[in-house]
Amino acid sequence: ILNVEQSPQSLHVQEGDSTNFTCSFPSSNFYALHWYRWETAKSPEALFVMTLNGDEKKKGRISATLNTKEGYSYLYIKGSQPEDSATYLCAFGETSGSRLTFGEGTQLTVNP
Amino acid sequence: NAGVTQTPKFRVLKTGQSMTLLCAQDMNHEYMYWYRQDPGMGLRLIHYSVGEGTTAKGEVPDGYNVSRLKKQNFLLGLESAAPSQTSVYFCASSRLYGYTFGSGTRLTVV
Repeated sequence: ILNVEQSPQSLHVQEGDSTNFTCSFPSSNFYALHWYRWETAKSPEALFVMTLNGDEKKKGRISATLNTKEGYSYLYIKGSQPEDSATYLCAFGETSGSRLTFGEGTQLTVNP
Repeated sequence: NAGVTQTPKFRVLKTGQSMTLLCAQDMNHEYMYWYRQDPGMGLRLIHYSVGEGTTAKGEVPDGYNVSRLKKQNFLLGLESAAPSQTSVYFCASSRLYGYTFGSGTRLTVV
């Protein structure tokens, strides 16, 4: 069983704050690292897929970085808004197959 | 543009009853997956399929069976439901990586 860890488990910030979370994963047999956004009562939606060491992805106020050699990825949200409130999942993909191993997620609450 | 459709959305079962959850995708994806989501445990893989007619065990397969007779459908069966199977079940499909998830099935076993 692969170990994919996310921290913190939960985070409460004020509207306008910038924040970041961490995903750590095995540094061997790396193929891809995914980030998903999961709103309550909905299904997870893909944010980013990163495959190369040093990759940086950006979508609006959300960005992510990847370090495959040390096995971590950061997700950043600049100027958080209440609509950013969700659980953010990272998922690790190995070279050996298609299935992803998910972390437990970071639950973000942005207070207006 | 349906994507991944799960049925039913909610179900209450009595201990020992059986049921089948259906996952259907219209994106011609090769790979399909069944996950369960429990508080504090994230998404855990139950079974998955890499193509029509093939299935494989995931992290928590006990008490479940699956079938992939048609490429677009992936069925998850509970032969004799137990309270420990109370959970939210998510189906997903992918071409290789990059999952598309269904909206989930909330199952309660009493």
